[in-house]
Amino acid sequence: AQKVTQAQTEISVVEKEDVTLDCVYETRDTTYYLFWYKQPPSGELVFLIRRNSFDEQNEISGRYSWNFQKSTSSFNFTITASQVVDSAVYFCALSADNNDMRFGAGTRLTVKP
Amino acid sequence: DSGVTQTPKHLITATGQRVTLRCSPRSGDLSVYWYQQSLDQGLQFLIQYYNGEERAKGNILERFSAQQFPDLHSELNLSSLELGDSALYFCASSSGSGGMTDTQYFGPGTRLTVL
Repeated sequence: AQKVTQAQTEISVVEKEDVTLDCVYETRDTTYYLFWYKQPPSGELVFLIRRNSFDEQNEISGRYSWNFQKSTSSFNFTITASQVVDSAVYFCALSADNNDMRFGAGTRLTVKP
Repeated sequence: DSGVTQTPKHLITATGQRVTLRCSPRSGDLSVYWYQQSLDQGLQFLIQYYNGEERAKGNILERFSAQQFPDLHSELNLSSLELGDSALYFCASSSGSGGMTDTQYFGPGTRLTVL
């Protein structure tokens, strides 16, 4: 069975602070893919990153970075120098076979000016 | 804008009714996925089609059905609607080989309200 846990329900930071969103996953498969999506107040789901289980390199894209650690089954997402426009619900997701995609419950991030 | 379109944007209907949600994938994408997002269940995968054929099935109720047409657009049919079916329904598409592990690009969603 696949499971994704986002223990942080809500996070509130002040603009320019760094913030890390946690994601812990469970799967028995050795090949799997992890994803992060952003859902801004407008409601659409925006793709951020896809990472396979064999690629443990950390990834940086502008102010966004991802830390994948197989040893702790975690795929954490850090936003550096947060901005008000980063306010959204962020979802971590896991797909370990071709029959399912499991999303975490999401973390609501509020960035205050 | 992901390139995936969904209509209608909002839908209000009564219990017991039937509705159809429509999705057009990104140009060239053969896979279409349907998801339901509700407050109590979160984001749940419903069903996937690849080039007109059902490829994967998730937590889709028997009252719900879907299909993908030759022009690759897809429709999700919801019947005998109940209050608990009120949710945001997303369609996504991907350009990969048709697996759930492909990157999925989501449409803006259809918000269904059952009164």
